[in-house]
Amino acid sequence: QSVLTQPPSVSGAPGQRVTISCTGSSSNIGGGYDVYWYQQLPGTAPRLLIYLNSNRPSGVPDRFSGSKSATSASLAITGLQAEDEADYYCHSYDSSLSGSVFGGGTKLTVL
Amino acid sequence: EVQLVQSGAEVRKPGESLKISCKGSGYSFTSYWIAWVRQMPGKGLEWMGIIYPGDSDARYSPSFQGQVTISADKSISTAYLQWSSLKASDTAMYYCARQGALGGRFDPWGQGTLVTVSS
Repeated sequence: QSVLTQPPSVSGAPGQRVTISCTGSSSNIGGGYDVYWYQQLPGTAPRLLIYLNSNRPSGVPDRFSGSKSATSASLAITGLQAEDEADYYCHSYDSSLSGSVFGGGTKLTVL
Repeated sequence: EVQLVQSGAEVRKPGESLKISCKGSGYSFTSYWIAWVRQMPGKGLEWMGIIYPGDSDARYSPSFQGQVTISADKSISTAYLQWSSLKASDTAMYYCARQGALGGRFDPWGQGTLVTVSS
């Protein structure tokens, strides 16, 4: 059981908007620690998608956006494309564990 | 270009030892943390621990403390993850990733090292 909770799967048709939630607690997201999002395409290493809650690294399309509120965070993907089909993970720091924690991952299916 | 290159896939028998590596290039290796992340087959990402090559300060997830050893050789910009006695349950893909500060972003990631433990 992961410290950060994500839905196991989400789906959407091309062009639609989907959101992926990441729920934590007062020892991680709710404690003011930043949230990061990673995309893992099939058979590849994860890559950074969103940093410091809502910032996109260069090269990441503006279709991807992040937000954070209280003890949770969200990743939104607009204008869904077939190439967005991947696993998505949230990440934060947990003061109780004195280390990084990940969400369990969400599999995005583009219908 | 900032890059982390990991050693190749390994196959070992239960009880054997193993050390895998992660070589950094394109940045000051001693100024960033290197984390290790496990991904078991068909499962999610698990943070194992982290090392600061500048002074070899290593921290471990409670789940992995005592099960693995993380080290680094700053003279060759390489971090290591090692096991003294592998178990079948150690079969997984292992990734290294650069981290600027504890709790910060993991970027970039190595390509991964697949470890298979089977009799």
